[in-house]
Amino acid sequence: NAGVTQTPKFRVLKTGQSMTLLCAQDMNHEYMYWYRQDPGMGLRLIHYSVGEGTTAKGEVPDGYNVSRLKKQNFLLGLESAAPSQTSVYFCASSFNALYEQYFGPGTRLTVT
Amino acid sequence: KQEVTQIPAALSVPEGENLVLNCSFTDSAIYNLQWFRQDPGKGLTSLLLIQSSQREQTSGRLNASLDKSSGRSTLYIAASQPGDSATYLCATYDSGGYQKVTFGTGTKLQVIP
Repeated sequence: NAGVTQTPKFRVLKTGQSMTLLCAQDMNHEYMYWYRQDPGMGLRLIHYSVGEGTTAKGEVPDGYNVSRLKKQNFLLGLESAAPSQTSVYFCASSFNALYEQYFGPGTRLTVT
Repeated sequence: KQEVTQIPAALSVPEGENLVLNCSFTDSAIYNLQWFRQDPGKGLTSLLLIQSSQREQTSGRLNASLDKSSGRSTLYIAASQPGDSATYLCATYDSGGYQKVTFGTGTKLQVIP
């Protein structure tokens, strides 16, 4: 039981490049989330999913897209990276909206 | 819009001391409140989840309380150890039509041997 895993752990992009972050969970959770963590601002929700095939916008969705083709996977895409997207990205999952969230180890992304 | 505040931002205590971390929130219409621990360069580890109908939860040396009416939660750590050094985050599960969890910016705790 690996819990929530994220790949890659680190990535450096140049402005305008694209990439996809992968989140996987093996707990059969319905809900999955993508957050970003920036100094002094706490974690902010980017997008979330309430089940396979569904996605919804969170607090800071601009510049990101997501897909949930399989229940266990939640992908976060950056189509054209900007320096403002330099951050640590965390994926989380939960059984439902009111159950505790379990977090992955994070992906540190730097956009130059 | 919910705002979650954790004061102080940093705290340094000698080993063995009992301590209290504070979390305050502006909108009392919450479903749950969760405390997390984050070690440097790592993800978040859930410590305790308090449902809105509960007033406290305990796990080992940790005790978290919730007072919705005053918009406050505290995390009590008994007999602190150097291994407790980490950043502690609280998060509210807010009502409002869609999944919304609001995080505080955390208290960085250092326990000195």
